[in-house]
Amino acid sequence: AQSVTQLGSHVSVSEGALVLLRCNYSSSVPPYLFWYVQYPNQGLQLLLKYTTGATLVKGINGFEAEFKKSETSFHLTKPSAHMSDAAEYFCAVSGGNQGGKLIFGQGTELSVKP
Amino acid sequence: GAVVSQHPSWVICKSGTSVKIECRSLDFQATTMFWYRQFPKQSLMLMATSNEGSKATYEQGVEKDKFLINHASLTLSTLTVTSAHPEDSSFYICSVRRVAGSYEQYFGPGTRLTVT
Repeated sequence: AQSVTQLGSHVSVSEGALVLLRCNYSSSVPPYLFWYVQYPNQGLQLLLKYTTGATLVKGINGFEAEFKKSETSFHLTKPSAHMSDAAEYFCAVSGGNQGGKLIFGQGTELSVKP
Repeated sequence: GAVVSQHPSWVICKSGTSVKIECRSLDFQATTMFWYRQFPKQSLMLMATSNEGSKATYEQGVEKDKFLINHASLTLSTLTVTSAHPEDSSFYICSVRRVAGSYEQYFGPGTRLTVT
């Protein structure tokens, strides 16, 4: 079975500050890991993904995440927050014999203060 | 990425009526589509996996007779909420998987259903 835990349902940062959204996963098979962003009343947009290879992955809008197997983590970071980054962020895991299903974390709402 | 559309984007219906939501993959053929529901301030919950030409696979606890899924073509899947009740009010989102074996999913913009 697979699961995802996002630490912190709400994170608030100042514009220009570092963004760090935490995600830990549990998986009995090598995981595929994803970060999605959701703006109000919209669907989800893929920020980045890890499947195999380089453990530091870069995504859109300046976001990146590092897969750390020893810590079962896939934290999302951005060096400098922008007001437009305010949204809901979801970490998700897939892989193995789950038929391509995505298991989502609870989500983290990011607020950016001017 | 991929372009996925949903129609309607929002719908209000009376209790006891049925509502059909369409999910279309606009730029590639999708053998697998997924349907999710999302309550306010909550995460996405997978309802069912829709495979073209076969019956949908429902997640535990999802009533298959209430949430009818039809994946009639490689670009269209529909979700029909039958005999809708206020507790069915939610945000319904579909996603498509581009290539068999690839776990990347592309999401539609969602449909807001309100049952009065």
